[in-house]
Amino acid sequence: EDKVVQSPLSLVVHEGDTVTLNCSYEVTNFRSLLWYKQEKKAPTFLFMLTSSGIEKKSGRLSSILDKKELFSILNITATQTGDSAIYLCAVPNAGGTSYGKLTFGQGTILTVHP
Amino acid sequence: NAGVTQTPKFRVLKTGQSMTLLCAQDMNHEYMYWYRQDPGMGLRLIHYSVGEGTTAKGEVPDGYNVSRLKKQNFLLGLESAAPSQTSVYFCASSYSPSGSYNEQFFGPGTRLTVL
Repeated sequence: EDKVVQSPLSLVVHEGDTVTLNCSYEVTNFRSLLWYKQEKKAPTFLFMLTSSGIEKKSGRLSSILDKKELFSILNITATQTGDSAIYLCAVPNAGGTSYGKLTFGQGTILTVHP
Repeated sequence: NAGVTQTPKFRVLKTGQSMTLLCAQDMNHEYMYWYRQDPGMGLRLIHYSVGEGTTAKGEVPDGYNVSRLKKQNFLLGLESAAPSQTSVYFCASSYSPSGSYNEQFFGPGTRLTVL
């Protein structure tokens, strides 16, 4: 059974701090790992990672994958109050056909204080 | 282009009552999914559909039924609601994957409370 574990489960920081969120996984037939940001409503897509060591970057957010050690990190630099959200990590399920089912981690609740 | 929409946004039920949650997407996506989100547990897949007229069980299907009579709609039914089904329900859709993962687009969620 595929498994995704995120840490920490919650994090409280002040504006300007840098945070690192962790995601470890155990999956059969790994294809990719995804990060989502969830504010008050629907999760929104951030990154999809498929190759080890290649950093994906979007503004102050960046993410990297380590397929040997089976984990990914999401970094947020110079945090702002608008970064407060739940950050979800997910991996597509294995299977003979790729139905695109996702296994999600528990999420990390990030709170950024002014 | 509304994306993925869900109705209702909120609902309170008594134990034993039934209801149907509606998900609609206007992106011509083949695949649709229903998840539930509970504190500390991330999103868990209830049922999914790989096309019109097809449905399959996900990780936590018990107590729920689904139907996909039209490509754009995916219905989630609770026949006899239980307090354990108090949760936030998200619908999602994606293009038909062909060997690689395609991003899922999520609806705004339905907050259901069962008393």
